[in-house]
Amino acid sequence: DTAVSQTPKYLVTQMGNDKSIKCEQNLGHDTMYWYKQDSKKFLKIMFSYNNKELIINETVPNRFSPKSPDKAHLNLHINSLELGDSAVYFCASSETVNYGYTFGSGTRLTVV
Amino acid sequence: GESVGLHLPTLSVQEGDNSIINCAYSNSASDYFIWYKQESGKGPQFIIDIRSNMDKRQGQRVTVLLNKTVKHLSLQIAATQPGDSAVYFCADKTGNQFYFGTGTSLTVIP
Repeated sequence: DTAVSQTPKYLVTQMGNDKSIKCEQNLGHDTMYWYKQDSKKFLKIMFSYNNKELIINETVPNRFSPKSPDKAHLNLHINSLELGDSAVYFCASSETVNYGYTFGSGTRLTVV
Repeated sequence: GESVGLHLPTLSVQEGDNSIINCAYSNSASDYFIWYKQESGKGPQFIIDIRSNMDKRQGQRVTVLLNKTVKHLSLQIAATQPGDSAVYFCADKTGNQFYFGTGTSLTVIP
């Protein structure tokens, strides 16, 4: 069973489109995250939710909107996609904010 | 934001040799540190962690050393194998957030 699963794995879309990436964890963790990994492999946190409440919201364009319907799910919706949004997006979860993460396998977003 | 840096962006080692991957962190208030391994096409995987009240922790073939005086963290991999080829990240926690380093790409030469 996949602990943190995100879909889709690959997403190719045109500039200006709106897209969503879904994430689900079956670990019973309280905290979930979205990270963006650029072409140089740098991982940058975007958002963090603890029990459906937003706790970290880094400087991210407001075109990015996370949604957590329950503590097992954290989806990422992106409006008006831009070329610079091309990256790999990772969802992760942790038992609490004080523990290490379990990452999903990533969604490679390519904006053309 | 926090700055967590790695001294060597790439490292090549012969199979069977020991590998050492280094990491510097900047916040003396960091209290928890983790090493992750990221294989191609996959998400980062937890390898080993250490809290700030320790200076050494050992796992299976891996050892993490923490030097709080100079804010330095290292990952030692014993008898490096081809399957160890990956990008390795250190991450340090300050408050309720982890900050990731830029990664070191380890290549194991058969």
